[in-house]
Amino acid sequence: DAKTTQPTSMDCAEGRAANLPCNHSTISGNEYVYWYRQIHSQGPQYIIHGLKNNETNEMASLIITEDRKSSTLILPHATLRDTAVYYCIVERTSGSRLTFGEGTQLTVNP
Amino acid sequence: DTAVSQTPKYLVTQMGNDKSIKCEQNLGHDTMYWYKQDSKKFLKIMFSYNNKELIINETVPNRFSPKSPDKAHLNLHINSLELGDSAVYFCASSARTAFPYEQYFGPGTRLTVT
Repeated sequence: DAKTTQPTSMDCAEGRAANLPCNHSTISGNEYVYWYRQIHSQGPQYIIHGLKNNETNEMASLIITEDRKSSTLILPHATLRDTAVYYCIVERTSGSRLTFGEGTQLTVNP
Repeated sequence: DTAVSQTPKYLVTQMGNDKSIKCEQNLGHDTMYWYKQDSKKFLKIMFSYNNKELIINETVPNRFSPKSPDKAHLNLHINSLELGDSAVYFCASSARTAFPYEQYFGPGTRLTVT
């Protein structure tokens, strides 16, 4: 599975959009991009996934570049409860073998 | 109506003991997983069962033995506990009939070996 690179930490003001980048330059054609988050002391939570088209659900939007070498997770109106570690994962076996990296610690400030 | 539950939430034990962690899901999923999150917060898959059959077995010491009595349960038994086993263990489940497989995680079991 392709390796991902994410910033170690980011800050965002409450109510503003949080844009979390992820580089996955070695992604192959059959690999999906998954985003999970882990709020302190809780189990990871699925956010969204995509293959090549942009995706949106009730939690977030996922923008994947045309060459698929990077993606951005967008939380449109961040709240304090969105403070968590966000993991970008690239995986080819349909999400059954997730490899979590270091992720990005997002801190939403009041 | 917890989706994925684990017991116990905290487990403190001494080196050399044998302990079990239980996991149950009420989502009707057919695949269950065990993950280990170490002190550096790296989360790594250990095992995966689909319909009670082992399908993923990462490089894990033989002291760790998963047991799946039915599709809704996946227990983790650990023999001869060592200090390095101290970690948070997460159970997860997914439905292989729903592609791609979104995983639902339990709250975790914090194991401390002294």
